[in-house]
Amino acid sequence: AQSVAQPEDQVNVAEGNPLTVKCTYSVSGNPYLFWYVQYPNRGLQFLLKYITGDNLVKGSYGFEAEFNKSQTSFHLKKPSALVSDSALYFCAVRRGNSGYSTLTFGKGTMLLVSP
Amino acid sequence: DSGVTQTPKHLITATGQRVTLRCSPRSGDLSVYWYQQSLDQGLQFLIQYYNGEERAKGNILERFSAQQFPDLHSELNLSSLELGDSALYFCASSPQGQGTDTQYFGPGTRLTVL
Repeated sequence: AQSVAQPEDQVNVAEGNPLTVKCTYSVSGNPYLFWYVQYPNRGLQFLLKYITGDNLVKGSYGFEAEFNKSQTSFHLKKPSALVSDSALYFCAVRRGNSGYSTLTFGKGTMLLVSP
Repeated sequence: DSGVTQTPKHLITATGQRVTLRCSPRSGDLSVYWYQQSLDQGLQFLIQYYNGEERAKGNILERFSAQQFPDLHSELNLSSLELGDSALYFCASSPQGQGTDTQYFGPGTRLTVL
């Protein structure tokens, strides 16, 4: 079985400050990890993914995430938050080399960036 | 815009009815996925198709069924609807349905069952 935990329902940060949205995962074997963002009344937009290689992954809109195998974490980060980053963020995992591409999503973390 | 289209955008119906949700994948993508998003259950994977064939099944109820047609569009059929089926239904597509693929999501269909 595979699972993802996003321990914070909501993260509050002031504009211009760095932000971190946390994600931990549980999967047998190598994980494939993804971050998506959902704006109100919109579908999920892909931000970035980790498949293999460099533990620091850079994605869209200035976001990056760091894969930490020992801590089974894949936290999303951005050096300087924007008010427009306010949205719902989802972490997702699938088991690598399983042959299928089903994703298991976390419950989501609401990011609120204040001016 | 992800390139995945879903119709209709909103659907309001009554308990016991049947509805069909439609999804057109991004050009060139062979795999389609359906998800249900609700406040209490979060984002749940329902079913995946690859090039017309069912590839994987998730938490899909027996009252729900799906198919992918030769032109690769997909339909999700929901029957004997209950109040609890009210949710956002997303379709996603990916090139090959493989683990390294990125899934691109459509804008969703909001289903309200009264």
